[in-house]
Amino acid sequence: DQQVKQNSPSLSVQEGRISILNCDYTNSMFDYFLWYKKYPAEGPTFLISISSIKDKNEDGRFTVFLNKSAKHLSLHIVPSQPGDSAVYFCAAYSGAGSYQLTFGKGTKLSVIP
Amino acid sequence: KAGVTQTPRYLIKTRGQQVTLSCSPISGHRSVSWYQQTPGQGLQFLFEYFSETQRNKGNFPGRFSGRQFSNSRSEMNVSTLELGDSALYLCASSLSGRSTGELFFGEGSRLTVL
Repeated sequence: DQQVKQNSPSLSVQEGRISILNCDYTNSMFDYFLWYKKYPAEGPTFLISISSIKDKNEDGRFTVFLNKSAKHLSLHIVPSQPGDSAVYFCAAYSGAGSYQLTFGKGTKLSVIP
Repeated sequence: KAGVTQTPRYLIKTRGQQVTLSCSPISGHRSVSWYQQTPGQGLQFLFEYFSETQRNKGNFPGRFSGRQFSNSRSEMNVSTLELGDSALYLCASSLSGRSTGELFFGEGSRLTVL
């Protein structure tokens, strides 16, 4: 049973446009969400996070939105750049005392110059 | 500062053998987590260690085990290897495991089981 779902395996976007990556979750105990980016042959790197008490967090070109009632979060990248081409993973922690991140299967973003 | 270092980077084993993977965390980080990445399942949590104690364990069979040393370095072991154990094994470290939520990942150890 997949608790964190990224239903789009891939996404192509023109350079300069907005990239929107989506993530749905089923576990209502999740209270902290993170996005990681992964290039081939490298480990994932942290991008941005959001606590369940917030609905938006922004860091430069990256913004994460959380809709708790819909159990949905999204990552917006504006403007998209070719260097953003990578696999993006959504992940979540479930409550205090949890040291386990639950990951989605990832969305491969391709930014076309 | 140096990142998370995993060794070996690549290895090939045959069914029934065992394997030990090593992870050196970022200096000062006391929490080490292990994840298995496969094309079909994505990243799945194996276990997390802090100060030599396992705090969390994922849903993997007992063939998968780990430990952490007093210098925070960690090893994971897989015994009686199966074909399905072929995967990228990722180690991640953080200061305390959850305070900032951010994990720093190594480049992984690519295990192929023949």
